[in-house]
Amino acid sequence: GQQVMQIPQYQHVQEGEDFTTYCNSSTTLSNIQWYKQRPGGHPVFLIQLVKSGEVKKQKRLTFQFGEAKKNSSLHITATQTTDVGTYFCAGRGYTGNQFYFGTGTSLTVIP
Amino acid sequence: NAGVTQTPKFRVLKTGQSMTLLCAQDMNHEYMYWYRQDPGMGLRLIHYSVGEGTTAKGEVPDGYNVSRLKKQNFLLGLESAAPSQTSVYFCASSKYSNQPQHFGDGTRLSIL
Repeated sequence: GQQVMQIPQYQHVQEGEDFTTYCNSSTTLSNIQWYKQRPGGHPVFLIQLVKSGEVKKQKRLTFQFGEAKKNSSLHITATQTTDVGTYFCAGRGYTGNQFYFGTGTSLTVIP
Repeated sequence: NAGVTQTPKFRVLKTGQSMTLLCAQDMNHEYMYWYRQDPGMGLRLIHYSVGEGTTAKGEVPDGYNVSRLKKQNFLLGLESAAPSQTSVYFCASSKYSNQPQHFGDGTRLSIL
């Protein structure tokens, strides 16, 4: 079945440092979504990428979708304590209705 | 506008007991989903529904049943709870399958 792998599993950074999480799929994806889950909270939708090579920005967050539509990344510039949480990617193939979630990257920001 | 509401928020069961988790959404969404979240495993889809009266299996459906008798409600049932079903359960909904999913606050379920 479809698998979405995400690395790293954990990341500790000093406040102000950059952070990147990577998402890789075993199959070509039709689209990919990114979610953030704060400690004790529920996943909250951040963005969706659809086109090959697409890059989208939200303030300090940059999202990329690979040319082959098999990988994606989320990059945070100059992390802040408010960025703490677990970031999940979720990919959907060209068949079926479901998104497959990655295992998530837990970000800790040290003040 | 409450979004997605899950009840209960916490529950402790004994092995072999049954229970039903309720999910309600007020956004007129077609799609509804049940996930379980375990440490290091991310979110795994249990069952989902593409509309009122329909259900489909996800990645980990064994030991669970679902029903969607009304568009706004999606019920998850455990007929005979097992310790392996100890988890945090999230319900989500989306307008269509390629749209953002809106999650409830989760139900923390412990089975002893």
